[in-house]
Amino acid sequence: DIQMTQSPSSLSASVGDRVTITCRASQNIVTYLNWYQQKPGMAPKLLIHAASSLQSGVPSRFSGSGSGTQFTLTVSGLQPEDFATYYCQQSYIIPRTFGQGTKVEIK
Amino acid sequence: QVHLQESGPGVVKPSQTLSLTCTVSGGSISSDGYYWTWIRQHSGKGLEWIGYISYSGFTRYNPSLKSRVTISLDTSKNQFSLNLSSVTDADAAVYYCARVIPRDSFPDAFDIWGQGTRVTVSS
Repeated sequence: DIQMTQSPSSLSASVGDRVTITCRASQNIVTYLNWYQQKPGMAPKLLIHAASSLQSGVPSRFSGSGSGTQFTLTVSGLQPEDFATYYCQQSYIIPRTFGQGTKVEIK
Repeated sequence: QVHLQESGPGVVKPSQTLSLTCTVSGGSISSDGYYWTWIRQHSGKGLEWIGYISYSGFTRYNPSLKSRVTISLDTSKNQFSLNLSSVTDADAAVYYCARVIPRDSFPDAFDIWGQGTRVTVSS
């Protein structure tokens, strides 16, 4: 299985901050990397697919980059509704695997 | 707009089979190119992919669950289902169904999710 490792596991930030979350794959996954946002008690929501493609309806303050084994999710100008847990997920091989999550909390 | 809704018993006895259904509305489950998937989340934990099925019935499963999992399509009802046999405490989780969008004709990201259904394993 491909191991997906996110860092940090949690972070504290203020509204307006620029936040970056890193996801590392245990092997090359080219750009088969997706990002999700999950709020408590709710299903995950797709933010970014194919490493850098913004899902329809997602605010442009979210962006993704990377290829191979290293990827980043950036939120430029954190908004109150962005406090949540973020997961990366590889869609390169079976089984599909997720990172352990990064919880973004209010400072 | 496509909407997914999980249904099924909230409690399953140990060693029995967990059966869940996902009803798709606002679009056809037979739409060319889409896959349909099940994912679960143990309490307070991360996400685990269970398996998916294509619009034509092709399936792939997580090897860690493969011997116990069956995912099937019912196109007449616009539903797909999950059967997980021989359940134990380790199968207690919130189960989500989701649509899988294609990339280069292969299943890629999970773009539309159901709200999730909590399953408890208890005698």
